[in-house]
Amino acid sequence: ETGVTQSPTHLIKTRGQQVTLRCSSQSGHNTVSWYQQALGQGPQFIFQYYREEENGRGNFPPRFSGLQFPNYSSELNVNALELDDSALYLCASSLDSIAYSGYTFGSGTRLTVV
Amino acid sequence: GDSVTQMEGPVTLSEEAFLTINCTYTATGYPSLFWYVQYPGEGLQLLLKATKADDKGSNKGFEATYRKETTSFHLEKGSVQVSDSAVYFCALSDPRGSGGYQKVTFGTGTKLQVIP
Repeated sequence: ETGVTQSPTHLIKTRGQQVTLRCSSQSGHNTVSWYQQALGQGPQFIFQYYREEENGRGNFPPRFSGLQFPNYSSELNVNALELDDSALYLCASSLDSIAYSGYTFGSGTRLTVV
Repeated sequence: GDSVTQMEGPVTLSEEAFLTINCTYTATGYPSLFWYVQYPGEGLQLLLKATKADDKGSNKGFEATYRKETTSFHLEKGSVQVSDSAVYFCALSDPRGSGGYQKVTFGTGTKLQVIP
């Protein structure tokens, strides 16, 4: 069984630009969640996708948006990048959207905004 | 809202020492509790979990017991190894408190350094 893969692993962007991060979920998992982990902090929930729809969102502005595809892979898009968006972005997949039994995390994408 | 509080690190121990990392939580419902571990340059890995009061989660020599009366889920290991050096995150998930979907609330993490 394959795990969660994220791409790219590292990325440098300029303030004001847009970025797209990609995630392939673990085989058989139908739910994808995205988290932002600032340096020295715990991950913060951005949003969750289930059956191609967003069904939960944390305290992040609308310039953070996402997609989930029929094969359950997902994208995270961030518009109008700010310096504070510099962080490790983690994708996590799971089997159920409600009954949480534990995520499988990817290794993350390290985004640096300059 | 839900929150998780962990002891601050770093925690530095000698090999074979006893480990305790404290974790307390606040939740509106009846959450499930988790410990995740993050090795340098990697994502998080689920270490253990407990889904109801008095449950004990265990894995790789680590243990934690869900204590509803003290709202705690302390992580313990009897004899740490150098390979246990990592950052440990306590976390909770409470679908009823988050509106019916998965949202995991993490603590800020505790860095463990084990020296030979």
